[in-house]
Amino acid sequence: EPEVTQTPSHQVTQMGQEVILRCVPISNHLYFYWYRQILGQKVEFLVSFYNNEISEKSEIFDDQFSVERPDGSNFTLKIRSTKLEDSAMYFCASSGPGYYGYTFGSGTRLTVV
Amino acid sequence: AQTVTQSQPEMSVQEAETVTLSCTYDTSESNYYLFWYKQPPSRQMILVIRQEAYKQQNATENRFSVNFQKAAKSFSLKISDSQLGDTAMYFCAFLSMNRDDKIIFGKGTRLHILP
Repeated sequence: EPEVTQTPSHQVTQMGQEVILRCVPISNHLYFYWYRQILGQKVEFLVSFYNNEISEKSEIFDDQFSVERPDGSNFTLKIRSTKLEDSAMYFCASSGPGYYGYTFGSGTRLTVV
Repeated sequence: AQTVTQSQPEMSVQEAETVTLSCTYDTSESNYYLFWYKQPPSRQMILVIRQEAYKQQNATENRFSVNFQKAAKSFSLKISDSQLGDTAMYFCAFLSMNRDDKIIFGKGTRLHILP
């Protein structure tokens, strides 16, 4: 069964450093998403991406965040200057039209120290 | 805006028993999907079951079934013959069918299956 792949599974970074979280969506999917889950809290939407541009973003997704699809397969989330409160699980997801195949990756646990 | 409410932060049940997790939601839309996701200690998000709002029949996946009450905007998950491996966080979630939108999650119910 097709999967959404995320790397790395766990990343530790110093406060103020830039991090890039990587995702390989399912190949025939058109819509891509990032979600965040702070430990013990609910999963929150960050951003959606379609046709090489952001289609929607939440208030969490401020100027320190950016997304990119640098080639035909990868979808990345960059955090420019990490803060302690960015420590969370980050999930990538992708979907075809409508619900069709809305699939989450296994997540990247980001720890900012 | 859509909201999803899970009123049970934590539940415990003996192995082999049946447990029901509650979920209510609020939306003005008529076409949507509802989901239950399981999140074990590994924190991976695993789809348990989904329901299309236009279907009257309740979805079933092996030991997992839902009670979907569209008028009441209620979507509960029943786990029959519960197993130790069912211990996890369970999230109820909503997705509009009108466009490719974000999934809205509830705060979750932590379920403990006791041996």
